[in-house]
Amino acid sequence: KAGVTQTPRYLIKTRGQQVTLSCSPISGHRSVSWYQQTPGQGLQFLFEYFSETQRNKGNFPGRFSGRQFSNSRSEMNVSTLELGDSALYLCASSLAGVDRVYEQFFGPGTRLTVL
Amino acid sequence: KNQVEQSPQSLIILEGKNCTLQCNYTVSPFSNLRWYKQDTGRGPVSLTIMTFSENTKSNGRYTATLDADTKQSSLHITASQLSDSASYICVVTRLDSNYQLIWGAGTKLIIKP
Repeated sequence: KAGVTQTPRYLIKTRGQQVTLSCSPISGHRSVSWYQQTPGQGLQFLFEYFSETQRNKGNFPGRFSGRQFSNSRSEMNVSTLELGDSALYLCASSLAGVDRVYEQFFGPGTRLTVL
Repeated sequence: KNQVEQSPQSLIILEGKNCTLQCNYTVSPFSNLRWYKQDTGRGPVSLTIMTFSENTKSNGRYTATLDADTKQSSLHITASQLSDSASYICVVTRLDSNYQLIWGAGTKLIIKP
């Protein structure tokens, strides 16, 4: 079974631009969560999608948005990029929402650098 | 306030030795507690998931314990190997309408030969 895939793996953007990151979950998984990880920091939760609906949202500004498609693939968009948005963005999928104690599987991440 | 605190922040041990990492939480109400291993620059990998009624869970050389009364968990690594060098993260799920995950900052473990 293929794991969680994220594209692109690396991205360089300049301040003010926008970016879209993509995540393909493991086949059959309906829950996709997004996290931001900056150097030396723990994972910061962005949002969770379950069956195309945003079910959880972290404390990030409205510049961060996401969506999930009917095939469970998910995209995350960041508009008006700031230098502080440079981070590793991780996507995780699970069979159902984390409330059912299903294991979360993480992708390799997208390394975003904002210049 | 719902928090997860891990100690120590970092730890260096010799290959072959055992070690124990700590996780204290104030998250309430509690649903489950997870331990993850994260290699540098890669996504976390799940080690264990424990619910309220579980006291101990093992995964190979990794053994996690949970004391829901004192809100403490530990991860014990036996006979450490160089490949155990990583960050170990404790995550607690809050039993609310959104089942919010509260992430600890992690313990950075370095195994020296």
